[in-house]
Amino acid sequence: GENVEQHPSTLSVQEGDSAVIKCTYSDSASNYFPWYKQELGKGPQLIIDIRSNVGEKKDQRIAVTLNKTAKHFSLHITETQPEDSAVYFCAAHGGYQKVTFGIGTKLQVIP
Amino acid sequence: GAVVSQHPSRVICKSGTSVKIECRSLDFQATTMFWYRQFPKKSLMLMATSNEGSKATYEQGVEKDKFLINHASLTLSTLTVTSAHPEDSSFYICSARDHRGQETQYFGPGTRLLVL
Repeated sequence: GENVEQHPSTLSVQEGDSAVIKCTYSDSASNYFPWYKQELGKGPQLIIDIRSNVGEKKDQRIAVTLNKTAKHFSLHITETQPEDSAVYFCAAHGGYQKVTFGIGTKLQVIP
Repeated sequence: GAVVSQHPSRVICKSGTSVKIECRSLDFQATTMFWYRQFPKKSLMLMATSNEGSKATYEQGVEKDKFLINHASLTLSTLTVTSAHPEDSSFYICSARDHRGQETQYFGPGTRLLVL
C-alpha cells in the first residue's frame, strides 16, 4: 500500500520567514495530494491541493509543488504569521481511492 | 461551501454506556463519509468508510460491532461507540466527500470522547 513520509515533525520559524514542509509517497498511482491545517482541538481544514497533472499551485501565501518523478511534494508558506501556527498534514490519494496521511508537522511561528 | 458538522463536540460518559456521534454535510451531498480516530500528537487513523445506503467498510483491526456506523442519508452518517471503555477515549473526526465525484475530503470539527 501507499506510504507517505512527512518531515520535519516540528518546525519553528520567525514571523515573516518562510516555512517548507516536505512529503514523499511510494505509490506511483497516487494522483491527488491535499494539505490540511489542524489547529488544536479542531478538525483538519483543507488549505491547498494539487493533482498529478500539475507541477505547482499557489494561493496567496501558500504554494504546493509536486515532483512526480521523484514522488515528492512540498508545502511552502511565505511571510509566516503567528496564526499559521498549527499542525500540517500532507496526504496522498492512491489508485484505490484510499487516502494516506503523513504524520504531521507542528509549525510554530514565533512573533 | 463544503462545511461538515459534528455533534456533539465533546462528550463524557461512563464505562459501559453507548455514545452516538453525528456527522453532517451541511451544503453538499455526500455519498461517502469517513470516520477517523486521532490520538494525541498523532496522525489520523481511518476507522471505516461509510457509503450511503450500504454497509460500512471497516479497516483492519476495527471492531464493527463496537463501532456501529449508519449512513442513512446523503447528508448524515452516525458513529455509535457501543459499551464504551476508557481505552475508547479519543478524538473522533469524520469527513465527507462530495457526491459529484471529486476526491477531496472535507473534515468535521471532531468529537472529543472521554470514557470514565
